[in-house]
Amino acid sequence: EDQVTQSPEALRLQEGESSSLNCSYTVSGLRGLFWYRQDPGKGPEFLFTLYSAGEEKEKERLKATLTKKESFLHITAPKPEDSATYLCAVQAGFGNEKLTFGTGTRLTIIP
Amino acid sequence: DAGVIQSPRHEVTEMGQEVTLRCKPISGHNSLFWYRQTMMRGLELLIYFNNNVPIDDSGMPEDRFSAKMPNASFSTLKIQPSEPRDSAVYFCASSPRLAGVNEQFFGPGTRLTVL
Repeated sequence: EDQVTQSPEALRLQEGESSSLNCSYTVSGLRGLFWYRQDPGKGPEFLFTLYSAGEEKEKERLKATLTKKESFLHITAPKPEDSATYLCAVQAGFGNEKLTFGTGTRLTIIP
Repeated sequence: DAGVIQSPRHEVTEMGQEVTLRCKPISGHNSLFWYRQTMMRGLELLIYFNNNVPIDDSGMPEDRFSAKMPNASFSTLKIQPSEPRDSAVYFCASSPRLAGVNEQFFGPGTRLTVL
């Protein structure tokens, strides 16, 4: 069974204080690892897809990286508007479109 | 381009009543997914369709839950009879299912409260 574990559960940072969120996964035949952002009262919003170990993707202050066992979401000089819950999900198995999600990291950026 | 549309946004009902949640996927997307999100269990896939055909319903909790997709632009998730433990936010998502791995795009969700 596919498993995704995210840490920490919650993280509070001062504005400008860089940090990283972790997503550890156990799957058979990873096809893609996804990062989503979820604001209160809204649906998850797609950020990145990573396909293979060593891959990196960037978007504004966010950079996602992937190894064979985990992914990191690095946040550089965050702003209060980066406050949200960040969800990690994996897709595994040929022809399978199912996503297995972690429980998320609730990030709060303090002005 | 409109995103995934869900209705209603909020539903409050009493135990034993029938509840129907509705979803309109993004035009041109041919995969549709129903998820449930709770504090305890996070985001869980209930069922997904490809080209209107149910592919995996292993996440549907029990026979009280059913889902249909009569055409490419509409799907329903029905709970009959509803129970207080069904209270959650239900999300619909769609994906273009192009060759390879495709991201899913989520709707705003329906917050269901069963009293």
